[in-house]
Amino acid sequence: AQKITQTQPGMFVQEKEAVTLDCTYDTSDQSYGLFWYKQPSSGEMIFLIYQGSYDEQNATEGRYSLNFQKARKSANLVISASQLGDSAMYFCQGGDMRFGAGTRLTVKP
Amino acid sequence: NAGVTQTPKFRILKIGQSMTLQCAQDMNHNYMYWYRQDPGMGLKLIYYSVGAGITDKGEVPNGYNVSRSTTEDFPLRLELAAPSQTSVYFCASSLWDRGSAGELFFGEGSRLTVL
Repeated sequence: AQKITQTQPGMFVQEKEAVTLDCTYDTSDQSYGLFWYKQPSSGEMIFLIYQGSYDEQNATEGRYSLNFQKARKSANLVISASQLGDSAMYFCQGGDMRFGAGTRLTVKP
Repeated sequence: NAGVTQTPKFRILKIGQSMTLQCAQDMNHNYMYWYRQDPGMGLKLIYYSVGAGITDKGEVPNGYNVSRSTTEDFPLRLELAAPSQTSVYFCASSLWDRGSAGELFFGEGSRLTVL
């Protein structure tokens, strides 16, 4: 079965600094997508950004960008200029609609 | 547009009771999903549907049933509730076609406790 791996249970970052959250997709498919979602303490799930395996450029959405490494099948989420409101759980999701275990990000003032 | 609407938001069940979690979307999405999220954990796929009349099992389907009689509605049925089904349940939908990434749109979640 395909598997999404997020190796960082928790991460800390200083406000205004950048942070990278890891995600690797164990799949035999050559064409696939990887999605990232944010879950604040209030519990809702918010879509952040998407990368397709055949996209020529790394995806970018505001302060979110993906460091996509095709050979490793990884799409690491980079959050630039961290804000206190970025403190949340972050989940990676593969094209088979399954999720990784998540990373809890805490932004320190 | 309301997006994805789930009801109820909270429910307490006794062991052995049954109930249905309702989910409706008004975005004309073809795909719909049910996930459960246990405390401090990621989301596990219970069932999904690629269109009206078509459903399929996900990672953790045991103890649940679904139906998809219309594009809009995707109810999740719990039969003979067990404490292991205490969780937060999320319904989601997505649009799979050319030009769409297929990202999930989530409901607000339904917190179920089985005592």
